Amino acid sequence: AQKITQTQPGMFVQEKEAVTLDCTYDTSDPSYGLFWYKQPSSGEMIFLIYQGSYDQQNATEGRYSLNFQKARKSANLVISASQLGDSAMYFCAMREVTYNQGGKLIFGQGTELSVKP
Amino acid sequence: DTGVSQDPRHKITKRGQNVTFRCDPISEHNRLYWYRQTLGQGPEFLTYFQNEAQLEKSRLLSDRFSAERPKGSFSTLEIQRTEQGDSAMYLCASSSLKPGTGNYHEQYFGPGTRLTVT
Repeated sequence: AQKITQTQPGMFVQEKEAVTLDCTYDTSDPSYGLFWYKQPSSGEMIFLIYQGSYDQQNATEGRYSLNFQKARKSANLVISASQLGDSAMYFCAMREVTYNQGGKLIFGQGTELSVKP
Repeated sequence: DTGVSQDPRHKITKRGQNVTFRCDPISEHNRLYWYRQTLGQGPEFLTYFQNEAQLEKSRLLSDRFSAERPKGSFSTLEIQRTEQGDSAMYLCASSSLKPGTGNYHEQYFGPGTRLTVT
């Protein structure tokens, strides 16, 4: 069965510094997608970044980058130059890739990030 | 803004009552998903639709839960005979299978409906 593990319940980072949020996954499928979502206290899930299992390069989106290590089955999120508005819950998720590309997401338990001024 | 919308945003009900939630996906998105999120946990998949067809249901979706998507547009999630364990945030998401109509891989989430069963 597919599984996502986030081992850091909470993290603190100083404003303007970089932070890495850990995510490991388990799947026997050769084709899968990995996602990171941000959930502020308002509750809405905000898409941050995506990595496909066959992508050769690590994904980047602005201040977010995904450190994808396929052999280790890890997909860590790196946030550079942290801002106070980055304080939120962060979820790593994996999607089953079916023939029609739109499978369900399996989420980890999340990491609560707090950015200190 | 034509994002995913959910109604109501909050619902308080007494145990044993029926409740119904609505989700309006992004137009042109043919896939619609329901997830449930309890406090301190990540969202858990409940069910999804492609157009009007319900393609998969989680075993979490007991027979008290039913979801519909008539005409492949909005969707409703009904919970009958609510129990205190049903208290959670119910999230709806939509995605598209058509390249060029948005991020091909992303599921766009709505703001959620927070259910409290007393």
